[in-house]
Amino acid sequence: NAGVTQTPKFQVLKTGQSMTLQCAQDMNHEYMSWYRQDPGMGLRLIHYSVGAGITDQGEVPNGYNVSRSTTEDFPLRLLSAAPSQTSVYFCASSSTGRKTGELFFGEGSRLTVL
Amino acid sequence: AQSVTQPDIHITVSEGASLELRCNYSYGATPYLFWYVQSPGQGLQLLLKYFSGDTLVQGIKGFEAEFKRSQSSFNLRKPSVHWSDAAEYFCAVGASTNAGKSTFGDGTTLTVKP
Repeated sequence: NAGVTQTPKFQVLKTGQSMTLQCAQDMNHEYMSWYRQDPGMGLRLIHYSVGAGITDQGEVPNGYNVSRSTTEDFPLRLLSAAPSQTSVYFCASSSTGRKTGELFFGEGSRLTVL
Repeated sequence: AQSVTQPDIHITVSEGASLELRCNYSYGATPYLFWYVQSPGQGLQLLLKYFSGDTLVQGIKGFEAEFKRSQSSFNLRKPSVHWSDAAEYFCAVGASTNAGKSTFGDGTTLTVKP
């Protein structure tokens, strides 16, 4: 029972490098999202998607791009990494019916930008 | 805009003692409310959720929470804490139209003394 799978779990980048964090879910959830977690700041929403081909910005979208070509996958791209993007990133998914909204989280990707 | 406040950054309780973690939310309509738990190095796991109906909701691991509309609160309780409950706890609020787009509080870290 895989649920939400994130790769890689750890990554070190140099300033200016680009990379993609992968996220896949096998629960046929319409909704997927990316959060970043920083000490003392909870989880902040970066981008989200309510279905294939539909994405929107969250609270802290600058420096990140997303796309949703399939229901299962929702990659997060860092185009030019900056030290301020050092964080733990979580992908989450949810169904979108009434009385739903429980988020299922991946195990996180810890990114360090030097 | 929706928001969540968790007033206590860190709480320490003795094993076997009762626990209450506070959560206050701001939302214009009836909110969807959640409590999640995060063990070190792990993703978040749902403890319990409130959508409507009975204001006292039961969750996993012996936790419960009470929705009080008049106080805009959704406090988490447990009658007797176990050492394995040591973790970080997050309260979240979601919109009924898209509860997956949840806003999280900054979290409360629970330490359990033997």
